[in-house]
Amino acid sequence: NAGVMQNPRHLVRRRGQEARLRCSPMKGHSHVYWYRQLPEEGLKFMVYLQKENIIDESGMPKERFSAEFPKEGPSILRIQQVVRGDSAAYFCASSVQGMNTEAFFGQGTRLTVV
Amino acid sequence: AQSVTQLDSHVSVSEGTPVLLRCNYSSSYSPSLFWYVQHPNKGLQLLLKYTSAATLVKGINGFEAEFKKSETSFHLTKPSAHMSDAAEYFCVVSDKDGGSQGNLIFGKGTKLSVKP
Repeated sequence: NAGVMQNPRHLVRRRGQEARLRCSPMKGHSHVYWYRQLPEEGLKFMVYLQKENIIDESGMPKERFSAEFPKEGPSILRIQQVVRGDSAAYFCASSVQGMNTEAFFGQGTRLTVV
Repeated sequence: AQSVTQLDSHVSVSEGTPVLLRCNYSSSYSPSLFWYVQHPNKGLQLLLKYTSAATLVKGINGFEAEFKKSETSFHLTKPSAHMSDAAEYFCVVSDKDGGSQGNLIFGKGTKLSVKP
């Protein structure tokens, strides 16, 4: 049973480009969470999704950021028109039920905007 | 609103000596509390969790944490540090009441260094 898989592990984008980060949850997990870790900071919640539904996007910036978790395929975090401040590590987690059950984290995608 | 404060950004210990990583939380509900560990260039791994059962929680790799409601603390300890314990540790509180679907509130992390 593979763990939570995120790809790519490292992503470099120029300012103004789009970044697409992928997350495949653990087998049997239908709850996906995205977190962002800025340098010297803890992880900050961004969005919580179940299959085809956004449950809580209270941590998502209002513009340029979107997330989806389609019926088939991985969850995608999309950042349009990236800026230098978007440079961070983005972590995905999945769980069987809600966050009070154990959440398993992926290794993260490190986005660098140049 | 829930919050968590890790009192030390860096802790350095010698191999074989005890480890203490401090964490205080603020919660309006009966909190669920977690400690996660992040090794360099790795994902986060759950060390242990408290969900209103026993106040002394034992985790993996010899770590344990004690929930103290009167002190609103959930400090992480280990009797004897090993070189492989060098990592960053995050104290985490769940921001919804037990059983409901909440998200995790992370502390800023404590970097543990272990000297030979």
